Amino acid sequence: AQSVTQLGSHVSVSEGALVLLRCNYSSSVPPYLFWYVQYPNQGLQLLLKYTTGATLVKGINGFEAEFKKSETSFHLTKPSAHMSDAAEYFCAVSDKGAQKLVFGQGTRLTINP
Amino acid sequence: DVKVTQSSRYLVKRTGEKVFLECVQDMDHENMFWYRQDPGLGLRLIYFSYDVKMKEKGDIPEGYSVSREKKERFSLILESASTNQTSMYLCASSLRGNRNQPQHFGDGTRLSIL
Repeated sequence: AQSVTQLGSHVSVSEGALVLLRCNYSSSVPPYLFWYVQYPNQGLQLLLKYTTGATLVKGINGFEAEFKKSETSFHLTKPSAHMSDAAEYFCAVSDKGAQKLVFGQGTRLTINP
Repeated sequence: DVKVTQSSRYLVKRTGEKVFLECVQDMDHENMFWYRQDPGLGLRLIYFSYDVKMKEKGDIPEGYSVSREKKERFSLILESASTNQTSMYLCASSLRGNRNQPQHFGDGTRLSIL
């Protein structure tokens, strides 16, 4: 079965510092991978997705993620954190043979001034 | 723009009540989903639907049922609400097709069962 592990339930960085949110997946088929962001009291918003092709995927708000098959990873990065990036971030993998998503447990990102 | 609308942002109900959560999407999507979100547990799939009048159980269907009479509307029903169903409920929709289709989410309903 497909699964996703997000390392670190809470990550705290200073404003202007590098943001790195880790995601590892397990998939028995070529994976389709997604990152979502959830701001307080809102639903999830798609940040970016990997399907096929280029392994470095650019998303909204300056975020990007790199698909590394050998490491089964899809880590999310942003070179310089902004206060508005404070939110919860979810990594997800598309389920085999179905159109469901399997979500990680989420990482709450805090930005320190 | 894509829009998934959940009927209530906040809802307070009593134990034993029958509770209806409504979700409407305006994107003509075939697939619709109901999740519950709890701290430390991420999103867990309750039920999903690939078409009108069609439903399939997700990972935690116990105590819930769903209804999809029209393509744009997907309802979640708590048959007899209990305090352990206090949670954030999220509805989502997506296009039928490849596994690369993203899901689009509503803003959620925060449900409290007293």
